[in-house]
Amino acid sequence: KNQVEQSPQSLIILEGKNCTLQCNYTVSPFSNLRWYKQDTGRGPVSLTIMTFSENTKSNGRYTATLDADTKQSSLHITASQLSDSASYICVVKGYQKVTFGTGTKLQVIP
Amino acid sequence: EAGVAQSPRYKIIEKRQSVAFWCNPISGHATLYWYQQILGQGPKLLIQFQNNGVVDDSQLPKDRFSAERLKGVDSTLKIQPAKLEDSAVYLCASSLAIRGRGGNEQFFGPGTRLTVL
Repeated sequence: KNQVEQSPQSLIILEGKNCTLQCNYTVSPFSNLRWYKQDTGRGPVSLTIMTFSENTKSNGRYTATLDADTKQSSLHITASQLSDSASYICVVKGYQKVTFGTGTKLQVIP
Repeated sequence: EAGVAQSPRYKIIEKRQSVAFWCNPISGHATLYWYQQILGQGPKLLIQFQNNGVVDDSQLPKDRFSAERLKGVDSTLKIQPAKLEDSAVYLCASSLAIRGRGGNEQFFGPGTRLTVL
């Protein structure tokens, strides 16, 4: 069964600090992995997409990594800002279907 | 470029009542998705359309949920009759294509928050 597990479930950090969110998946075959950011009351918005051959990709202060051998991905947020407070969802695409993780709820406090 | 539009944004109904949600995808996007997102969880796919045909409705509770996309553009999702456990945010998303290893990024609407009392 295709599964995507994320950790931690929730996280509170101080503004300016870094953090790393984890995603483990069992989706096979693997097509790509996306990290989405979902602000409260809004739909998810794509941050990055990782394909099989990519190990790391950055989007501003967001850096995603992918280890296709261990089926793990991480999202690293540098110098966090209050606006980073949101849920971060890992989504893995197989041949046709996508599987969503349950998300990590991040709260950045002043 | 206009995003995915959904209406209403909020709906409160009593159990056993009926409710309908509307979605207008991004122009030119052939694939349309309806998701149910219960508080604290990730989105769960209810139904996926490719143009006006159903690609995947394996997780749609067909005894009470129905969806259509008659002209391959707008879509409606209906719940009849609603149960307490249907309280959730219903997200609509659209993408350009379904097949292949490419991006096929899904663009989400703001969602409709349903409360069933």
